[in-house]
Amino acid sequence: KAGVTQTPRYLIKTRGQQVTLSCSPISGHRSVSWYQQTPGQGLQFLFEYFSETQRNKGNFPGRFSGRQFSNSRSEMNVSTLELGDSALYLCASSPDREGLEQYFGPGTRLTVT
Amino acid sequence: SQQGEEDPQALSIQEGENATMNCSYKTSINNLQWYRQNSGRGLVHLILIRSNEREKHSGRLRVTLDTSKKSSSLLITASRAADTASYFCATAVSGNTPLVFGKGTRLSVIA
Repeated sequence: KAGVTQTPRYLIKTRGQQVTLSCSPISGHRSVSWYQQTPGQGLQFLFEYFSETQRNKGNFPGRFSGRQFSNSRSEMNVSTLELGDSALYLCASSPDREGLEQYFGPGTRLTVT
Repeated sequence: SQQGEEDPQALSIQEGENATMNCSYKTSINNLQWYRQNSGRGLVHLILIRSNEREKHSGRLRVTLDTSKKSSSLLITASRAADTASYFCATAVSGNTPLVFGKGTRLSVIA
């Protein structure tokens, strides 16, 4: 099976802009989670989607949003970008309802200037 | 907030030696998982241990879990240069709650 794919892999944006990141889970996986990784804060959970419904949400401002489509593909959007949003954004999919072990994509490296 | 705290933050060993990393957490958990991350890339799941298990093995990996002390350890035996990576523990309070990651241990294996 193909692994989790994320596009784009690298992105440079300017403060105030918005960005959309995409994630395609492993075929058959219905749970998709998003994480933000920075040197200072480590891996922080953003949100999780299961069968097109947001099941869990982390402690991030409303500028961060996401959605999941009927084919389990997921997107996350960040509006009004701030310098502090520069990070590696990781998507992970899981095969079962309880979201046990997760399979991560390679990440999208976002740089905000 | 971080649930798991890995110790040490960084570890440097010679190839062939064993590497031990520890993880402590704060609340009761459903399971604890260990992941590896090569520099700036995605995480790879290594092993999952449930709260009713005490020890698990997978190849050169051995994980222990002590729920009374709220701690876990990851042992990598006969380390190789390819084991150089950051290792994270992650805990789940229940089956449907998000994983909470620690800040990781950076392991360097010198050939």
